[in-house]
Amino acid sequence: QSVLTQPPSVSAAPGQKVTISCSGSSSNIGNNYVAWYQQFPGTAPKLLIYDNNKRPSGIPDRFSGSKSGTSASLGITGLQTGDEADYYCGTWHSSLSAPYVFGSGTRVTVL
Amino acid sequence: EVQLLESGGGLIQPGGSLRLSCEVSGFTFSSYAMSWVRQAPGKGLEWVSSIIGSGTSTYYADSVKGRFTISRDNSRNTLSLHMSSLRAEDTAVYYCAKDPSDYPFDGFDVWGQGTMVTVSS
Repeated sequence: QSVLTQPPSVSAAPGQKVTISCSGSSSNIGNNYVAWYQQFPGTAPKLLIYDNNKRPSGIPDRFSGSKSGTSASLGITGLQTGDEADYYCGTWHSSLSAPYVFGSGTRVTVL
Repeated sequence: EVQLLESGGGLIQPGGSLRLSCEVSGFTFSSYAMSWVRQAPGKGLEWVSSIIGSGTSTYYADSVKGRFTISRDNSRNTLSLHMSSLRAEDTAVYYCAKDPSDYPFDGFDVWGQGTMVTVSS
């Protein structure tokens, strides 16, 4: 069971917006930066958002991140069929048994 | 261009050992922490281990502590993961990942393509 909780799936029609939530605690999200990763089936994850809301070079501004308290969110606007993938949040966790933790993952489906 | 290329995966019997390697290029290897992250079939991502740029500090998930050893050779731009006493639950795709700084646990900005490890008799 993941320390960070994400909905298993979200869906929307092309052109619409989806928001993926990531719920944690003061031991992780509440006091640390959050990153988001995109993973297409059979491929490696890719960094999408870092430091809560920053995009690496080449990531379109349709993707945005935010954080409030012990929760974070990833927003995708102008949804495209090419956005169908799994999305994971991740952050530092104040536990030596697992200093970095990932969310359970959310599958985005474009209807 | 930053590239990470894993190798060494395969089929191994329970209790056996395996060594994974990750050859990197395109950045100053010794200046960055590096990590291994795994993904069991059909499951989510799990952080496994990290090592700082100098190699003097290492970190492990409880699930692999005492069985896995992470190391790096900065002269050869290579990261390694030696895995022993392997169990069925270690079956996963193992990804080599670059940290954005020499401080681990800040996320992973570049990932390799992964190498599959299957532990089965």
